[in-house]
Amino acid sequence: DAGVIQSPRHEVTEMGQEVTLRCKPISGHNSLFWYRQTMMRGLELLIYFNNNVPIDDSGMPEDRFSAKMPNASFSTLKIQPSEPRDSAVYFCATYSLAGIGNTIYFGEGSWLTVV
Amino acid sequence: EDQVTQSPEALRLQEGESSSLNCSYTVSGLRGLFWYRQDPGKGPEFLFTLYSAGEEKEKERLKATLTKKESFLHITAPKPEDSATYLCAVITGGFKTIFGAGTRLFVKA
Repeated sequence: DAGVIQSPRHEVTEMGQEVTLRCKPISGHNSLFWYRQTMMRGLELLIYFNNNVPIDDSGMPEDRFSAKMPNASFSTLKIQPSEPRDSAVYFCATYSLAGIGNTIYFGEGSWLTVV
Repeated sequence: EDQVTQSPEALRLQEGESSSLNCSYTVSGLRGLFWYRQDPGKGPEFLFTLYSAGEEKEKERLKATLTKKESFLHITAPKPEDSATYLCAVITGGFKTIFGAGTRLFVKA
């Protein structure tokens, strides 16, 4: 398996622009998490989905942030409009709810810079 | 409130100097506790999962242990390539994950 695949790996955008981050989970994993990581705040859980349904979005900072999971193999995190304080690394991670001995696997992250 | 706290924030060791990292937690319904290693510019890399108090797991120079309130990551005779940030995370009964802030480990040759 190719692991969790995120795109883009790096994005630089101007304040006010829309940013869309994408994630392809590991096949068979039915729980998906979006995290944001900054030096100041560490890893923060933004939202997670179980079986494509959003379970907890209490970590989403503002209405400018939205996330969707239209099917089991794709999720997006959108920021509109973007602001400089949104600059961070955004990680997607996935997990299998079935059985025991499961692990959360992370993608390589999307490095966002808003100028 | 569910919480995960890691200590110390940073740890500097000489090569071969063994030590331990701590992860203390208060959560409702622990489903699992994870240890990850994160190198600069990379996503967290899975190390261990622990499920119940008394459980231990080992991998090369690392050993993870779990009690009802905390977990330790023991590093025996570390090498410079062990330098990284080590993250602890828990999955609660509601499948919410909570990460600690991490411990930055520096191992000097």
